[in-house]
Amino acid sequence: DAKTTQPTSMDCAEGRAANLPCNHSTISGNEYVYWYRQIHSQGPQYIIHGLKNNETNEMASLIITEDRKSSTLILPHATLRDTAVYYCIVRRKGEYGNKLVFGAGTILRVKS
Amino acid sequence: GAVVSQHPSWVICKSGTSVKIECRSLDFQATTMFWYRQFPKQSLMLMATSNEGSKATYEQGVEKDKFLINHASLTLSTLTVTSAHPEDSSFYICSSLRTEAFFGQGTRLTVV
Repeated sequence: DAKTTQPTSMDCAEGRAANLPCNHSTISGNEYVYWYRQIHSQGPQYIIHGLKNNETNEMASLIITEDRKSSTLILPHATLRDTAVYYCIVRRKGEYGNKLVFGAGTILRVKS
Repeated sequence: GAVVSQHPSWVICKSGTSVKIECRSLDFQATTMFWYRQFPKQSLMLMATSNEGSKATYEQGVEKDKFLINHASLTLSTLTVTSAHPEDSSFYICSSLRTEAFFGQGTRLTVV
């Protein structure tokens, strides 16, 4: 399975864009990049996913490099409620079917 | 709204007793569900894959006789922690996959 590397933690000022990087240098051609976040004591929440094109939805934007070895999740206007652990996951397809394996993630602290 | 519902959200039980956690898919049929465990300040660890109508598949190091999984219908999977001990105290989370993963709210288990 392709592994991901994320910074342990990041700080962001409220109202500013939060840019969360992720390295996935061993990603294979049919693997997607998924982003989830987990607010304290809750189940993870889906944010966005992509294969090779940049993606945008109401929550965030996902920028994937052309070689697909890294990506960046962008929260355009971070709020205090965006404080959470953000997980970048490369989705593998195994015999058990598409299970998600979580790494350590990035703790994002949004500060006023 | 939530597409995966988990119950209970928290439970306290005595050492040696068993605890059952339910995970329901609310508006879709889930042939496969996943169970995770999360200790404080750690990431989610996949425990097992629950397959409707067949035996669950456990990750390495997870005791199948201790963590009983039943997936009797397309909308319900249950995890039973048998003979619980204080070291089983953790945050248990279920998940089901469509194009992206949906997670339950999690169950905080405290064994005293």
